Amino acid sequence: GAGVSQSPSNKVTEKGKDVELRCDPISGHTALYWYRQSLGQGLEFLIYFQGNSAPDKSGLPSDRFSAERTGGSVSTLTIQRTQQEDSAVYLCASSLDRNEQFFGPGTRLTVL
Amino acid sequence: AQRVTQPEKLLSVFKGAPVELKCNYSYSGSPELFWYVQYSRQRLQLLLRHISRESIKGFTADLNKGETSFHLKKPFAQEEDSAMYYCALSAKTGANSKLTFGKGITLSVRP
Repeated sequence: GAGVSQSPSNKVTEKGKDVELRCDPISGHTALYWYRQSLGQGLEFLIYFQGNSAPDKSGLPSDRFSAERTGGSVSTLTIQRTQQEDSAVYLCASSLDRNEQFFGPGTRLTVL
Repeated sequence: AQRVTQPEKLLSVFKGAPVELKCNYSYSGSPELFWYVQYSRQRLQLLLRHISRESIKGFTADLNKGETSFHLKKPFAQEEDSAMYYCALSAKTGANSKLTFGKGITLSVRP
């Protein structure tokens, strides 16, 4: 079946603008994760949704970052007032119940 | 707090040579450890996890709780093993949980 999909694949924006990144997880997967992959920093956890539980937001770097997961499926990561240090590849992953996380192709965000 | 350390950024070996990618972790509980791999122009994917005790593509990794290590090993490297490898830790075993990743290591296998 289809894997995790993300859109857009690339996003170039100007400093100060807001951006929305979308993730479509594998159908039926109960957990959805957002990570950020920066050069030299590896992968950093951002936020995690599990079923109907309150999300784990402990990795969000500032209050400019937020995420929603509607209907237990699609998720949107929003970055407000983007800064140049937000430039990175944003990865989404989903898993069913044993924490084997399936990753999407990522969205490459460039903030000019 | 949990932390994963991959002390090297790059390992370059010749085809047929043994490979050991180092991973050390810091966590007070009983974590689950993973190795993820990202081949060129492909998605990040799970290679193996310590609770499965499997050998995948000739790679093995043993969790050493005394040394808090989870090194990835392969006796004879192949060119197709060239990729970025990430060690990751979950605070929960066998259940969904966020992953803490190391910074990754690039493995280059030369012909």
